[in-house]
Amino acid sequence: DGGITQSPKYLFRKEGQNVTLSCEQNLNHDAMYWYRQDPGQGLRLIYYSQIVNDFQKGDIAEGYSVSREKKESFPLTVTSAQKNPTAFYLCASNDRGTGNTIYFGEGSWLTVV
Amino acid sequence: AQSVTQLDSQVPVFEEAPVELRCNYSSSVSVYLFWYVQYPNQGLQLLLKYLSGSTLVKGINGFEAEFNKSQTSFHLRKPSVHISDTAEYFCAVSVNRDDKIIFGKGTRLHILP
Repeated sequence: DGGITQSPKYLFRKEGQNVTLSCEQNLNHDAMYWYRQDPGQGLRLIYYSQIVNDFQKGDIAEGYSVSREKKESFPLTVTSAQKNPTAFYLCASNDRGTGNTIYFGEGSWLTVV
Repeated sequence: AQSVTQLDSQVPVFEEAPVELRCNYSSSVSVYLFWYVQYPNQGLQLLLKYLSGSTLVKGINGFEAEFNKSQTSFHLRKPSVHISDTAEYFCAVSVNRDDKIIFGKGTRLHILP
């Protein structure tokens, strides 16, 4: 089945540790995104990538890093520099052929303990 | 830069009653407009989208939205809600030829028995 797969669904991290969230898509979409969701704040854009080996900062990129070595994969690393990392993280990809419609993965819950 | 405002953070409505969720946007250029739905602990699912053409757009689950350029609005409506419509709804906007997609803060729809 075509879609976007995020893993893990739930992740616990100790303070001071880096953690990487995986995002894989088999939709052949060029553009991919990472959003962070906090209660009452909607979705905020962390990073996005329009093409392999290229990515841009979103509105809240500080404390995060990404890579885009393959079209199918866009992993997000939450570094120890992110002061408040506990949140729900959503990966998405974009079907530019039908007017920039975004398709989402099921999300990953990150909790810092 | 474009932005999206969802005027209500929560909307309670009785089952089988009609509902309208409001969305206003700002942009100096032509836009694409979207409504997404999010059920608890899941990713977002596309309800409907406006790209061009008819200003009345029909989506899944009996929802529809009307694009009003003069009022810069894209309100979501359903004539009769069901308990299964309980979810959070997000309005989003993207600019032609721009991959950046901006989301509103969401409206939580509560269906009362």
